[in-house]
Amino acid sequence: NAGVTQTPKFQVLKTGQSMTLQCAQDMNHEYMSWYRQDPGMGLRLIHYSVGAGITDQGEVPNGYNVSRSTTEDFPLRLLSAAPSQTSVYFCASSKQGITDTQYFGPGTRLTVL
Amino acid sequence: EDQVTQSPEALRLQEGESSSLNCSYTVSGLRGLFWYRQDPGKGPEFLFTLYSAGEEKEKERLKATLTKKESFLHITAPKPEDSATYLCAVPNSGGYQKVTFGTGTKLQVIP
Repeated sequence: NAGVTQTPKFQVLKTGQSMTLQCAQDMNHEYMSWYRQDPGMGLRLIHYSVGAGITDQGEVPNGYNVSRSTTEDFPLRLLSAAPSQTSVYFCASSKQGITDTQYFGPGTRLTVL
Repeated sequence: EDQVTQSPEALRLQEGESSSLNCSYTVSGLRGLFWYRQDPGKGPEFLFTLYSAGEEKEKERLKATLTKKESFLHITAPKPEDSATYLCAVPNSGGYQKVTFGTGTKLQVIP
């Protein structure tokens, strides 16, 4: 199993540009989530999904969209990038939700100029 | 509001010098406390889950313990390869599907 994969690993955007961060898992996990990690602030939940077709907002959802058309994929879209979105983004999945072990991807380091 | 506080922020140990990391939490109805290890430039990697006060789990030089208000990650005779940031996390106490993470303890073990 590849586990949780994320692409790209690094990305530089200009303010106002849009892009999609890709996340895929091959463990047939129902729960998937996106976090951002900033120095001194820990991991913060952006959006999550409890299954295909079901998504919901986390604690910092503004400026981001998600969709879950399949169990395997959970892309994160930045609608109009802002410097405040400069961060490291992690995708995670778990079999049965937040009380289960989460498996993290390798992360995407995003810089918005 | 659920809170997770980790201390110290950073810890520097000599190889073989045992110590403990602390994770204090405020959540009603604990549904598990998770410890993760994060190496630079990588995603967090699962270490342990503890569910009830008094529970202990061990893996190599690491032992995690849990009380009603805090968890400790004890590191016995650490080696340089134990250098990493250690994160603890608790699931949200409400119906909201969220996990609250602490900001981590950055451990450096010097040969």
